Amino acid sequence: ELKVEQNPLFLSMQEGKNYTIYCNYSTTSDRLYWYRQDPGKSLESLFVLLSNGAVKQEGRLMASLDTKARLSTLHITAAVHDLSATYFCAASSNFGNEKLTFGTGTRLTIIP
Amino acid sequence: EPEVTQTPSHQVTQMGQEVILRCVPISNHLYFYWYRQILGQKVEFLVSFYNNEISEKSEIFDDQFSVERPDGSNFTLKIRSTKLEDSAMYFCASSEYRNYGYTFGSGTRLTIV
Repeated sequence: ELKVEQNPLFLSMQEGKNYTIYCNYSTTSDRLYWYRQDPGKSLESLFVLLSNGAVKQEGRLMASLDTKARLSTLHITAAVHDLSATYFCAASSNFGNEKLTFGTGTRLTIIP
Repeated sequence: EPEVTQTPSHQVTQMGQEVILRCVPISNHLYFYWYRQILGQKVEFLVSFYNNEISEKSEIFDDQFSVERPDGSNFTLKIRSTKLEDSAMYFCASSEYRNYGYTFGSGTRLTIV
């Protein structure tokens, strides 16, 4: 059974600093997703990573995937307050299974 | 941008009652899903639905739960004999392709009292 673990669970960082959120998954996965969730809101899709070595960037966020290590990272560059949210990674297992297995989430707080 | 619409946004129901959560997926999407998120916890898969039948379901999705696409546009989740532990945010999602490009709705916060 696919398991997805994120760390850290909580992250408090100052504006302008860089940090990385890690997402490990337990079995072969053919795609990895990153979502953002603001309090009481829905899940906003940030990135879909489909292959080993994939790297995607949007603004101050960059996501990468290493399928051999079963690891994805979400890197935040020069954090700003409006990046404060909970970030989830999710993976789907190979062989066409349809469900997403989510990580526990990382609650990110950017301090001015 | 196309959206997945969920109603109601908040539902309060007495324990033991039945509740129906409604979703309107994006019109050209073929795959439909329900997920739930207990307050402060991770998002959990409930069920996927394609071609008018359930294609996959989790252990959570027992006989208490059912899904239906009654009219070609709505996608509903019915929970019978609700329990306190059913209190959660329920998200509907849809995708055009299998296992890719999910769009989540804004969620229904279900509170069982």
